[in-house]
Amino acid sequence: EAGVAQSPRYKIIEKRQSVAFWCNPISGHATLYWYQQILGQGPKLLIQFQNNGVVDDSQLPKDRFSAERLKGVDSTLKIQPAKLEDSAVYLCASSAQTETQYFGPGTRLLVL
Amino acid sequence: AQSVTQLDSHVSVSEGTPVLLRCNYSSSYSPSLFWYVQHPNKGLQLLLKYTSAATLVKGINGFEAEFKKSETSFHLTKPSAHMSDAAEYFCVVSANFGNEKLTFGTGTRLTIIP
Repeated sequence: EAGVAQSPRYKIIEKRQSVAFWCNPISGHATLYWYQQILGQGPKLLIQFQNNGVVDDSQLPKDRFSAERLKGVDSTLKIQPAKLEDSAVYLCASSAQTETQYFGPGTRLLVL
Repeated sequence: AQSVTQLDSHVSVSEGTPVLLRCNYSSSYSPSLFWYVQHPNKGLQLLLKYTSAATLVKGINGFEAEFKKSETSFHLTKPSAHMSDAAEYFCVVSANFGNEKLTFGTGTRLTIIP
């Protein structure tokens, strides 16, 4: 079974630029999550999708972050404009009916 | 509200000796509890999970954890450490009423001394 795929793996941008991350969940998984993991901390949930609807986006900084999951499969997370404090690893995870979430390798973002 | 506290940010053990990573949780509901491991530049991998069945949970790579409700603890153990166990370990709690939101601890970095 293929795992959660993410791209790119690394991204370096300057502050105020925009950036987008892509996630392809495990086939058949209805729930998709985006997490932000700042260096030295545990991952923090940004947004949760059930199929193509948003379940929880209470921790998403909506003035600069946006996410979509068209057709209930792939998802993109965008930051515009980026700030220095957005430097982090962005993790995508997916799950089926159980609570077990399977994580992708993450995208490491550095904002200069 | 739910939270986890990982009591040690860094643990060092010699290869072949036991491993103990400590975790306390707080939850308003009967929680589900997990341990995830993260190797450098790799994604998070599920080690084991507790979901109100047996209190002693066995996971992959020889790890196990015991759920103790009276102590609100879910410590991770392994009888004999291996060099490949060096990684970051996260204790995670999820409310067990259909909400799948995971709350992560701050992590414990495990170092194995040859």
